[in-house]
Amino acid sequence: EPEVTQTPSHQVTQMGQEVILRCVPISNHLYFYWYRQILGQKVEFLVSFYNNEISEKSEIFDDQFSVERPDGSNFTLKIRSTKLEDSAMYFCASSQGPLYSNQPQHFGDGTRLSIL
Amino acid sequence: AQSVTQLDSQVPVFEEAPVELRCNYSSSVSVYLFWYVQYPNQGLQLLLKYLSGSTLVKGINGFEAEFNKSQTSFHLRKPSVHISDTAEYFCAVMDSSYKLIFGSGTRLLVRP
Repeated sequence: EPEVTQTPSHQVTQMGQEVILRCVPISNHLYFYWYRQILGQKVEFLVSFYNNEISEKSEIFDDQFSVERPDGSNFTLKIRSTKLEDSAMYFCASSQGPLYSNQPQHFGDGTRLSIL
Repeated sequence: AQSVTQLDSQVPVFEEAPVELRCNYSSSVSVYLFWYVQYPNQGLQLLLKYLSGSTLVKGINGFEAEFNKSQTSFHLRKPSVHISDTAEYFCAVMDSSYKLIFGSGTRLLVRP
């Protein structure tokens, strides 16, 4: 069964540095998402992406964050000038259709980001 | 604004016993509800979803959930759990912007 793949599985970065988290969504999917889960807390929506543009973003997703689909297969989350509180598990998800259709979101295994 | 409440942070249960994981929601729009499972060091996997139709929804791994509009609940049940069901379970609701709002999760701990 096709999967959403995320790399790396664990990223350690110095505070203030930029980090790029990479995701390869399922190939025929058109909707892409990033979620964040701070240790011990709930999963939080960050951003959704469709037709090469952001369709929705949360208040967490400020100017520090950006997303890009640089080619036909990758979907990246860039975090500039990282802060300690950015330490979390970041999940990528993709779906063939929007959430209100009968098309579920498929999640990757996540990238654990540790800011030192 | 939509929200999801999972009152139980952890539910311990013996193997082969039944289990119910509680979920209550608030929503001002059409209600689409989901249960996801997260096994250790893995991503979220969809267990089941309610979009419309029958209020009793059957999912994978023998789980089912019942949508109760009057009680604004979507509790997850399984009649007989296995050790392998030990995981974190998240209830979620779709909000008016078509994104998922998750509950805080319930850790199901199945003991032999």
